[in-house]
Amino acid sequence: DIQMTQSPSSLSASVGDRVTITCRASQNIDKYLSWYQQKPGKAPDLLIFGATSLQSGVSSRFRGSGSGTEFTLTISNLQPHDFATYYCQQGYNIPRTFGQGTKVE
Amino acid sequence: QVQLQQWGAGLLRPSETLSLTCAVNGGSFNDYYWIWIRQSPGKGLEWIGEINHRGRTQLNPSLKSRVTMSVVASKTQFSLKVNSVTAADTALYFCARGAHWSFDSWGQGTLVTVSS
Repeated sequence: DIQMTQSPSSLSASVGDRVTITCRASQNIDKYLSWYQQKPGKAPDLLIFGATSLQSGVSSRFRGSGSGTEFTLTISNLQPHDFATYYCQQGYNIPRTFGQGTKVE
Repeated sequence: QVQLQQWGAGLLRPSETLSLTCAVNGGSFNDYYWIWIRQSPGKGLEWIGEINHRGRTQLNPSLKSRVTMSVVASKTQFSLKVNSVTAADTALYFCARGAHWSFDSWGQGTLVTVSS
């Protein structure tokens, strides 16, 4: 299985900050990388697919970058509703696998 | 706009069979893969498998021996069964729609607890 490792596991930020989360894959996954936001008690919401493509309806403050084995999610001008847990997920191989999550608090 | 509504038993005893169903409203059922994912504190988010409208499945090898997925395309529904459950199967189970190798719409989640 492809292992997805996120860093940091948690971070402390303030409204208006710029936040960067990193996701590393244990092998090359090209650009088959997605990012999700999850709030407590809710299902994850897709933010970014194909490493860099913004899902319809998602704020342009979210930006994805990277390819191969290293990827980043950047959130600009952090808003109160952005405080959540973020996950990366690879779609290159079966089984699909997720990172362990990064909590933004 | 697609909506996924899922249901099934939430409390099981060890060795019983977990059974969940997900109904899809809106969108084109035939154009996507239909996914089951579970989430537990110990294992995080875990992809269980996927099925298309023709019933073709791909399953997580770690669960493959105990998992069955099925689809009723005429009803735009798909189902998950996991047999011989143990406490390790206790999790929040989600159905989802697969697109672009990602999951763009999700059900509300069903908490399944396995306890004697």
